[in-house]
Amino acid sequence: QKEVEQDPGPLSVPEGAIVSLNCTYSNSAFQYFMWYRQYSRKGPELLMYTYSSGNKEDGRFTAQVDKSSKYISLFIRDSQPSDSATYLCAMSDYYGQNFVFGPGTRLSVLP
Amino acid sequence: DAGITQSPRHKVTETGTPVTLRCHQTENHRYMYWYRQDPGHGLRLIHYSYGVKDTDKGEVSDGYSVSRSKTEDFLLTLESATSSQTSVYFCAISGGPGGGGNTIYFGEGSWLTVV
Repeated sequence: QKEVEQDPGPLSVPEGAIVSLNCTYSNSAFQYFMWYRQYSRKGPELLMYTYSSGNKEDGRFTAQVDKSSKYISLFIRDSQPSDSATYLCAMSDYYGQNFVFGPGTRLSVLP
Repeated sequence: DAGITQSPRHKVTETGTPVTLRCHQTENHRYMYWYRQDPGHGLRLIHYSYGVKDTDKGEVSDGYSVSRSKTEDFLLTLESATSSQTSVYFCAISGGPGGGGNTIYFGEGSWLTVV
């Protein structure tokens, strides 16, 4: 079993849709959870960063962490064509020196 | 932008030649990393550094070496490039444990083609 599982997609949605991206993980030591957005031929860009369980909202983006289920989600409201990218989940333990990444979900938002 | 500069951004080299990729940061972060990203494999850690002259191997370190003589610079060397090392290489930095350092920032990538 991989440490982090993520649906690779691709996922295509119409503009304005609500998008749900998800990752599951197996290591209960993970405490810090991140979502990255990666445009084609660019480096991953930090989108959301959360600690432990709960929700965090930033504009159209909401990150959810459920440590009891070892499940994290990223919701994108009112999706835009500019949201078309690959989204990577990532996590680290308390010591924050080792990071584990999901394989990424490719999202296309169609005008 | 996280203050990370990678050079060169694109390079084509011949099999068997040594290649060095450079990463320069302006954030004074303690940890620096080299990843490669390939279709079907995602991001894979090559080597990382937790301080000047302190480095350790990642999951795909064979054929690669690193050096860090200054806090701001982390070099990745392909000792004798092979076609399997054709990839995009990302440098990343992290502040380390606590103090909001439990996240990682990436550079823009270096595209390497070995012919």
